[in-house]
Amino acid sequence: SQQGEEDPQALSIQEGENATMNCSYKTSINNLQWYRQNSGRGLVHLILIRSNEREKHSGRLRVTLDTSKKSSSLLITASRAADTASYFCATGSHWGGKLIFGQGTELSVKP
Amino acid sequence: SQTIHQWPATLVQPVGSPLSLECTVEGTSNPNLYWYRQAAGRGLQLLFYSVGIGQISSEVPQNLSASRPQDRQFILSSKKLLLSDSGFYLCAWSVTRDRGFSGANVLTFGAGSRLTVL
Repeated sequence: SQQGEEDPQALSIQEGENATMNCSYKTSINNLQWYRQNSGRGLVHLILIRSNEREKHSGRLRVTLDTSKKSSSLLITASRAADTASYFCATGSHWGGKLIFGQGTELSVKP
Repeated sequence: SQTIHQWPATLVQPVGSPLSLECTVEGTSNPNLYWYRQAAGRGLQLLFYSVGIGQISSEVPQNLSASRPQDRQFILSSKKLLLSDSGFYLCAWSVTRDRGFSGANVLTFGAGSRLTVL
């Protein structure tokens, strides 16, 4: 079953602009992760935020988590053409290691 | 360092034929192993996961099966493929409590196997 819902489904921006993607989920979580997928490739882990954290930074990535709204956002600052990819949120429950992925946001950064 | 290998990368099979996709992990022991399927333009659907040899949990009832004959080997099989089995299959591994995060599994994915059933 799908847990996360990303919004928007597709996003097109110019190089240098910021890109914001949102993720909503339904059940309580232990952690929320963001992954990136280049076309036709496997997913690569970007960043993890625990349920007791509100914000995490990693390079040009900023993730926020609002457990009261069951939502998270991923911000990519000063985007580059190389950031073009699909981005997925994934949630981990308290009861095991399974990660449930959302449908993803397809980001296109135009040079 | 740990690596994950998945093969074949591309497969075209007729309806009703068998399937075997293989995944192996190197450089770690007793990993959690996962099979996900991704339909075109969609998110990932968890098919099977395993926390140890011979321990397989199925998430979606279907004509697929998984086996873990060795600690770092995970195999996805089918006796008779359906058209709806077409998709991009991804193997992944994790270690529970990775990087000190209690209960958090960070997945490392293989490059994927694209299956087309005709």
